[in-house]
Amino acid sequence: EVQLVESGGGLVKPGGSLRLSCAASGFTFSSYSLNWVRQAPGKGLEWVSSISGNSLYIYYADSVKDRFTVSRDNAKSSLYLQMNGLRGEDTAIYYCAKSIANGLDWFERWGQGTLVIVSS
Amino acid sequence: EIVLTQSPATLSLSPGERATLSCRASQSIDSYLGWYQQKPGQAPRLLIYDALNRATGIPARFSGSGSGTDFTLTISSLEPEDFAIYYCQQRSNWPRTFGQGTKVEIK
Repeated sequence: EVQLVESGGGLVKPGGSLRLSCAASGFTFSSYSLNWVRQAPGKGLEWVSSISGNSLYIYYADSVKDRFTVSRDNAKSSLYLQMNGLRGEDTAIYYCAKSIANGLDWFERWGQGTLVIVSS
Repeated sequence: EIVLTQSPATLSLSPGERATLSCRASQSIDSYLGWYQQKPGQAPRLLIYDALNRATGIPARFSGSGSGTDFTLTISSLEPEDFAIYYCQQRSNWPRTFGQGTKVEIK
């Protein structure tokens, strides 16, 4: 069974940093693109970043470009999101999502999410 | 950036009724459209991808149609568990974008 478990969320001050992790199991990790999608409280879904199975292809939303960095460790079946220069508008639940296939980013499986709150 | 506009914002229906949800793209996205369902306190679930393909385990009462700029998600006969928020998403261009959602509520 596919499982995605996010961790690393919490309360951080504006301008601060946080590193999110997503531990995956139940599938051949390196064969799939992975993604981060966020949802501000009471709001809709916003795609944040995608990374291909071999990390060669990486994409970011304009709203996080130059502040967030996505990476993965295929040996550890883990996905990461390094978030720097955090702002109030980054407050959201951050979901890790597995693509339906490598490079085919329909978000087939999702974790339960980790909450990031940016506030002084 | 491709903007996806969903309508209506809210759909009030009774169990057993047919639900028709719309998603319109600001430019052609061929058939690169998906639909997700989200219930309160839960992560979204992929229902439909490439406009008309049901994801694994999705009941046949869910169907998708459309291409280009206009897409539809149809729920043929609403079950109690179908009352939720539905989002469309495109994978034609970067950045990937979602619609703002349609809430299907019990009338």
